[in-house]
Amino acid sequence: SQKIEQNSEALNIQEGKTATLTCNYTNYSPAYLQWYRQDPGRGPVFLLLIRENEKEKRKERLKVTFDTTLKQSLFHITASQPADSATYLCALVRDNYGQNFVFGPGTRLSVLP
Amino acid sequence: ETGVTQTPRHLVMGMTNKKSLKCEQHLGHNAMYWYKQSAKKPLELMFVYNFKEQTENNSVPSRFSPECPNSSHLFLHLHTLQPEDSALYLCASSQARAEVDTIYFGEGSWLTVV
Repeated sequence: SQKIEQNSEALNIQEGKTATLTCNYTNYSPAYLQWYRQDPGRGPVFLLLIRENEKEKRKERLKVTFDTTLKQSLFHITASQPADSATYLCALVRDNYGQNFVFGPGTRLSVLP
Repeated sequence: ETGVTQTPRHLVMGMTNKKSLKCEQHLGHNAMYWYKQSAKKPLELMFVYNFKEQTENNSVPSRFSPECPNSSHLFLHLHTLQPEDSALYLCASSQARAEVDTIYFGEGSWLTVV
């Protein structure tokens, strides 16, 4: 069956360290994968997208990698800050027209001062 | 402001009530979605509309009835709900028919069924 998993439900790290979140999927062949941030009681907000032919993508303190052989994406936040505390979701599309977005369960990141 | 507006933000309804959730997008997108988010569960895709046509109904009970009168508006009509239907209901939109697509969410409607 098709599944998207994120390595842990919750992750606590110290301010200034690098947070690494993992997304694994099975029985999908996505052309691209996305990461979203969700704050409590609010809708998810798009952060980054990485295509299957890209190994790495960066945006400010964020970095995403995508390994289609391992069927895995890693999401890094460097020099983490308490304001980075949120739930982070990975998402991929089930079909070629990008209409059926499916989301992982999310990892709740807490950056401790 | 994400460009996707949902009303009401909070709704409490009895199991015999009929109510509706409304969503409007100002992004010029062609696809609109309803997702359900319950505590400790992943986002669940409920319905997808593409160019006003329903293209996905993810085995949603008939007590949830979507309506998409045009590409900018989406409704979710609710009737005879159960307490386990209490959740955050998220509307979203995307361009669709694009090589690469990104989904934009509203702030959600918190539904409590009593």
